[in-house]
Amino acid sequence: GQQVQQSPASLVLQEGENAELQCNFSSTATQLQWFYQSPGGSLVSLLSNPSGTKHTGRLTSTTVTKERRSSLHISSSQTTDSGTYLCRANYNVLYFGSGTKLTVEP
Amino acid sequence: EAAVTQSPRNKVAVTGGKVTLSCNQTNNHNNMYWYRQDTGHGLRLIHYSYGAGSTEKGDIPDGYKASRPSQENFSLILELATPSQTSVYFCASGDGWGGSYEQYFGPGTRLTVL
Repeated sequence: GQQVQQSPASLVLQEGENAELQCNFSSTATQLQWFYQSPGGSLVSLLSNPSGTKHTGRLTSTTVTKERRSSLHISSSQTTDSGTYLCRANYNVLYFGSGTKLTVEP
Repeated sequence: EAAVTQSPRNKVAVTGGKVTLSCNQTNNHNNMYWYRQDTGHGLRLIHYSYGAGSTEKGDIPDGYKASRPSQENFSLILELATPSQTSVYFCASGDGWGGSYEQYFGPGTRLTVL
């Protein structure tokens, strides 16, 4: 939706490179969360990061609420990381961004 | 493991026909959601529900109705399907605590309206 903007729209990497995905939201948003959608379409939650920095495996998310942005950093990308990464914000109604399509080539 | 199932997984309908998409969750979540996903638009919220008997309009409710007869089941109804409703539809259940709000998604239903 308009309330959540993601960039870039698409990204192509070589295996082993790092990825940086961006999500921008309005000031009233809460409960920032990142999701992964596989090429087959299934959606899973990656991590919730309303503020600060969170880590899980090779993923690091940093949310700076004052600047209304959240980033998702994927280190040492693998071909299995290919898919679409969606950012979701809560404005009392849950809004998703349009996603970043990541392609990791061997 | 949280589970959200959808049926049918694929559907071809004719313009003007009635289509019902069903969703079942075994997570005992109060909240359930229907989204559609089209290229370039991410997930757009159609209807959601806070519990049995409740339905609320999301971002794009026109042309859709919803029904929540029980905690487990949430249906999306297209009374008069149109080709513009060709899309992939996702159902989700959700619950929140602290600063997090978890959603669990079904596998999606691909709807084609001819």
